[in-house]
Amino acid sequence: AQTVTQSQPEMSVQEAETVTLSCTYDTSENNYYLFWYKQPPSRQMILVIRQEAYKQQNATENRFSVNFQKAAKSFSLKISDSQLGDTAMYFCAFRPGTSYGKLTFGQGTILTVHP
Amino acid sequence: DVKVTQSSRYLVKRTGEKVFLECVQDMDHENMFWYRQDPGLGLRLIYFSYDVKMKEKGDIPEGYSVSREKKERFSLILESASTNQTSMYLCASHYGTGAATNEKLFFGSGTQLSVL
Repeated sequence: AQTVTQSQPEMSVQEAETVTLSCTYDTSENNYYLFWYKQPPSRQMILVIRQEAYKQQNATENRFSVNFQKAAKSFSLKISDSQLGDTAMYFCAFRPGTSYGKLTFGQGTILTVHP
Repeated sequence: DVKVTQSSRYLVKRTGEKVFLECVQDMDHENMFWYRQDPGLGLRLIYFSYDVKMKEKGDIPEGYSVSREKKERFSLILESASTNQTSMYLCASHYGTGAATNEKLFFGSGTQLSVL
């Protein structure tokens, strides 16, 4: 069974600064996918970024980027130029190669962006 | 964009009641999922379905059942609600199998269920 651990229950950052959210996972799979989802106060889960384990290049989406360390089983999310709208709960998630949609989620990190 | 609609945003039920949580998606997705979200535990998979009339247990199926009579609708059933089922319930859909550079789950807005 896979496990996903987010060790930071809460984080805060000033607007326009950079923040990094941590995530580690444990698996014996070789083919898998990793995700970061955002859940704002509206409760609507939104996919932020996705990483395929077989790709060495770290994924980026505008201000969001990941640091994927496969050997260390680490998958952190970096948010640059933080905006007030980034305030949300962030979940790291894992899924094995062929288990479409069956995600294992971490505990979540509440991120607050201060003006 | 895909819309996943959950019938209730908030629900209050009594212990022992039979509870139905409804979820409808409008994009002809093959796969549908029910997760529950609890503070400090993240989201955990209850049940999922890869096709009509098909269902499979997730990680925490005890006390729950599901129904998928039509492709667009996936219902979660609490046969006899208990206080430890007080939680946020999230439905999600996914287009199906195959390569997908834009793969993602589409979530509903959740139902906050309180069992008293």
